Amino acid sequence: NAGVTQTPKFRILKIGQSMTLQCAQDMNHNYMYWYRQDPGMGLKLIYYSVGAGITDKGEVPNGYNVSRSTTEDFPLRLELAAPSQTSVYFCASSYSRGDLFFGEGSRLTVL
Amino acid sequence: AQRVTQPEKLLSVFKGAPVELKCNYSYSGSPELFWYVQYSRQRLQLLLRHISRESIKGFTADLNKGETSFHLKKPFAQEEDSAMYYCASGAGSYQLTFGKGTKLSVIP
Repeated sequence: NAGVTQTPKFRILKIGQSMTLQCAQDMNHNYMYWYRQDPGMGLKLIYYSVGAGITDKGEVPNGYNVSRSTTEDFPLRLELAAPSQTSVYFCASSYSRGDLFFGEGSRLTVL
Repeated sequence: AQRVTQPEKLLSVFKGAPVELKCNYSYSGSPELFWYVQYSRQRLQLLLRHISRESIKGFTADLNKGETSFHLKKPFAQEEDSAMYYCASGAGSYQLTFGKGTKLSVIP
């Protein structure tokens, strides 16, 4: 099993550009999450999903969108990138509360 | 909103010395608490959860509701314990609130 796979690992964007961070899991987990981590800070929840077709906002959803058309995939879309979105993004999945399996992270820089 | 506080950014201990990584939470109900660890060049992974009352890699954590704490302890630190440690709290939902993390450095 690959677990949770995130792509790309690194990306540089210009202000105003858009992009999608991909996340896929092969563990048949119903629950998936997107977190961001700024330097010296804890992880903050952007969006989460409890199953295909169901998504909900987390603590910091502004500037992002998600979709969950399949159990396996949970892409995160950034529209009109801003410097404040420079961060490391982590995708995670779980089968039960608190037991999160994380991806390796995607480092995004917006210039 | 929930809050998880890890007061130490960096904790350095000598090999063989006891380790205590502090974590305090703000949830007033019955929280679900976890410790996650990230070793160098590895993914963030679950270390232990309070409901299991288990010991993983020699680490234990006890929930103290009176002090709203969930400190992580190990009696004898090993070099391979050097890592970033994050405390996390869930309050009856699937959303976890993470602390800022503590970097543990074990000095040989």
